[in-house]
Amino acid sequence: QQQVKQSPQSLIVQKGGISIINCAYENTAFDYFPWYQQFPGKGPALLIAIRPDVSEKKEGRFTISFNKSAKQFSLHIMDSQPGDSATYFCALQMDSSYKLIFGSGTRLLVRP
Amino acid sequence: GAVVSQHPSWVICKSGTSVKIECRSLDFQATTMFWYRQFPKQSLMLMATSNEGSKATYEQGVEKDKFLINHASLTLSTLTVTSAHPEDSSFYICSATGLAVYEQYFGPGTRLTVT
Repeated sequence: QQQVKQSPQSLIVQKGGISIINCAYENTAFDYFPWYQQFPGKGPALLIAIRPDVSEKKEGRFTISFNKSAKQFSLHIMDSQPGDSATYFCALQMDSSYKLIFGSGTRLLVRP
Repeated sequence: GAVVSQHPSWVICKSGTSVKIECRSLDFQATTMFWYRQFPKQSLMLMATSNEGSKATYEQGVEKDKFLINHASLTLSTLTVTSAHPEDSSFYICSATGLAVYEQYFGPGTRLTVT
């Protein structure tokens, strides 16, 4: 059973454009919604995270939008740069278990 | 930020042999460590969760006798792939949580190739 659905599978954006990646989930018991960035051959790194009591969080060019009623959250990358080209994973976590459930990933390519 | 290392970064072994992968938290005490497996162009799949001094908890479908996990100290966890087969070839990644328990810090991963 897929607990989180991530889309799109791949995304191509021109430099300076906005990259948008979406995730949807079913179980409302999750407490923490992080986004991870992974470069080829490397482990994932935490990019930004949000808790369900907040609708939006911004850190630099990265913004998470959270819609609790729709059970959806998205990552927006403003002014996308070629260095942002990587695979992005959304994830779900419960405070009670600390286990992360990852989305299927989105491969982002930012063209110069 | 917290740093997690893995050793080796890549390893090639022959079918039927065993290989050990180390995961260390370098600048914090890891209360819980996690082991993931990632196949090419796929997502991370949690294999097991380990707490220092306790037996690991394995996810459904993961053979605990094949993937031995030891969390002997607050800074070290090891994953041993026993009697490795080519289908075990994958990217193995560990993560650790410390005081801020909701944040997991990931290691750089270990590429295992079984020939």
